[in-house]
Amino acid sequence: TQLLEQSPQFLSIQEGENLTVYCNSSSVFSSLQWYRQEPGEGPVLLVTVVTGGEVKKLKRLTFQFGDARKDSSLHITAAQTGDTGLYLCAGRMGTGRRALTFGSGTRLQVQP
Amino acid sequence: DAMVIQNPRYQVTQFGKPVTLSCSQTLNHNVMYWYQQKSSQAPKLLFHYYDKDFNNEADTPDNFQSRRPNTSFCFLDIRSPGLGDAAMYLCATSRVEGSNQPQHFGDGTRLSIL
Repeated sequence: TQLLEQSPQFLSIQEGENLTVYCNSSSVFSSLQWYRQEPGEGPVLLVTVVTGGEVKKLKRLTFQFGDARKDSSLHITAAQTGDTGLYLCAGRMGTGRRALTFGSGTRLQVQP
Repeated sequence: DAMVIQNPRYQVTQFGKPVTLSCSQTLNHNVMYWYQQKSSQAPKLLFHYYDKDFNNEADTPDNFQSRRPNTSFCFLDIRSPGLGDAAMYLCATSRVEGSNQPQHFGDGTRLSIL
């Protein structure tokens, strides 16, 4: 059973379009991170959200943590070909020495 | 400057022949992780070290072992690789556990089994 479900699994769009990726769970997370992974490389952290309802912006990327800290979304405005990659959400449950749980991933392809 | 370095980038081994993957870090982080990532799937945590304290995930097969001889190095040993073990193996580090610290990943070792 996947603790963190991401949707959609695959997304192919044209450059300039907007998109939203969702990360959902029935569990509460103390924090949630978003990573981007390009082919042949390891994931790279984009953002960490901690507070329910928190919104963070990173240039054209907007991240939101749900009020109940069970879900998150990533919105990309005016997508560019450089945004292509695998987007992974990863949550940490509770406090103390807890490892991250990764979501199922969303593979984004931005066409020129 | 690479901070988490995995060697080799590509490894080919034979069915049942032991193989060791290595990871080194220049960040002086306390925690080192090993993940298995199969094609188009999320990374799956195999185990992690907090300093010398080893933490195995419940569903990690006994075929997978790890060693951390010092802060900088961590090894993944696969004793008898099967075809199902072909995957990308990712090493990651973080400064501490249980916090919002980011995990810093290496570029992975892609393991193929003949």
